[in-house]
Amino acid sequence: DGGITQSPKYLFRKEGQNVTLSCEQNLNHDAMYWYRQDPGQGLRLIYYSQIVNDFQKGDIAEGYSVSREKKESFPLTVTSAQKNPTAFYLCASSNAGTGDYEQYFGPGTRLTVT
Amino acid sequence: QQPVQSPQAVILREGEDAVINCSSSKALYSVHWYRQKHGEAPVFLMILLKGGEQKGHEKISASFNEKKQQSSLYLTASQLSYSGTYFCGSRTGAGNMLTFGGGTRLMVKP
Repeated sequence: DGGITQSPKYLFRKEGQNVTLSCEQNLNHDAMYWYRQDPGQGLRLIYYSQIVNDFQKGDIAEGYSVSREKKESFPLTVTSAQKNPTAFYLCASSNAGTGDYEQYFGPGTRLTVT
Repeated sequence: QQPVQSPQAVILREGEDAVINCSSSKALYSVHWYRQKHGEAPVFLMILLKGGEQKGHEKISASFNEKKQQSSLYLTASQLSYSGTYFCGSRTGAGNMLTFGGGTRLMVKP
């Protein structure tokens, strides 16, 4: 089955630690995205990548870092510089290029930092 | 700047209709609509493009007013399965990057 996987589903960390969230897709999509969602809020774009080895900052990139070494994978690192990291993190992918494409979302990772 | 959705929440009885609106302060290339059930990933509903083209669900209808920079999602004869939070995502530039609204929570009761 084609789709996007995110692991783990729940993640707990102590303040001051970096943590990496996994996102893998087998949809052969060029574009991948990371969103943050806070309770009762919409989705805010953290980073996006249109092609391997290239990525751009979204609206709230401070305190986060990404890499795109493989087409299938787009891991997100939440660094200790992120002041309020507790949130629900969603990864998505889509076709890329000119035009509009449906974004396919993974099941999300709920990160709690104490 | 994120698009503004209205209403923020709506409660319906099964079979009733609802309209969810999405307004942008920027010129829109397109509007995407997604539905999210509690604790789950958002699911694609449809895309509305300039010029009137639509991609997506046959059972859901929507409109896109380019001049007013608005889109509306029409949910008719609502079913219990329609419950969830509806998000609009606006595309205002090149690429497929979307800016999402704050969401509209819809609850359909029996």
